[in-house]
Amino acid sequence: KAGVTQTPRYLIKTRGQQVTLSCSPISGHRSVSWYQQTPGQGLQFLFEYFSETQRNKGNFPGRFSGRQFSNSRSEMNVSTLELGDSALYLCASSITPGGSYEQYFGPGTRLTVT
Amino acid sequence: AQSVTQLGSHVSVSEGALVLLRCNYSSSVPPYLFWYVQYPNQGLQLLLKYTSAATLVKGINGFEAEFKKSETSFHLTKPSAHMSDAAEYFCAVSDIPGNQFYFGTGTSLTVIP
Repeated sequence: KAGVTQTPRYLIKTRGQQVTLSCSPISGHRSVSWYQQTPGQGLQFLFEYFSETQRNKGNFPGRFSGRQFSNSRSEMNVSTLELGDSALYLCASSITPGGSYEQYFGPGTRLTVT
Repeated sequence: AQSVTQLGSHVSVSEGALVLLRCNYSSSVPPYLFWYVQYPNQGLQLLLKYTSAATLVKGINGFEAEFKKSETSFHLTKPSAHMSDAAEYFCAVSDIPGNQFYFGTGTSLTVIP
C-alpha cells in the first residue's frame, strides 16, 4: 500500500507570493492533518480535515487555509508569504481522527521564503 | 484538554548505553499514547503506540515504552543505543475519536561513538 505523498518536495517562493501544497493520504484514510515544523517551534498543528470538513484548527493566522476533496486528498494554501513561513510542512493521514488510530506522515514539503 | 511534555530537548548517550527519553502527558480521559521518530529531512515514523491493551509496549528497532498511569508517564527506552538511533523523537497523545493529536516538542538524541 502506498504511503502518504506530498508534492512538491521543495519549494522556493518570494515574500508576498502565495503557495499551494498537496497531500495524498494512504488509500482508505479519510483524515488528513497538517503540521508546520521549524527548528525553534517544533511541530505546530495547523488543521485537520475529515470527510471534507475541517474538524480542528491550530493557532495560525487566516493566511493559512486548507481543504479536502471527496477522494480525501488535501491541499493547504498560504497567502501573502512571510519569511517566517519558511518551514517543513508535514501532512499526516489516519483512518479517522484521534482515538487509537495512529497518524502516518508524508516526507514533507520544504518551503523556503526569500 | 490534553498536553504532552518531553523533558530534555537534547539527550546524548554513548553507543551501547541505555536510552531513556521522557514523556509525561495530561489527559482528562484514558489516553492513547504514541512515540514517533524523525530522521533528518524525513517525515515522522511510528515507533510504538499504547492503546490500553498492555502497559509495556514494544516497538520497532528495539524500543519499548511503559505506560504508568500513576505517574502520567510514557517514557521510551532502549537497552543499548546504536549510532543509527540518532534522530528526533516525538511523543504524542490522543483520546476521544474526533479529537486531534497533541505532540510534544521533541527530543533530539545524539549517540556518541
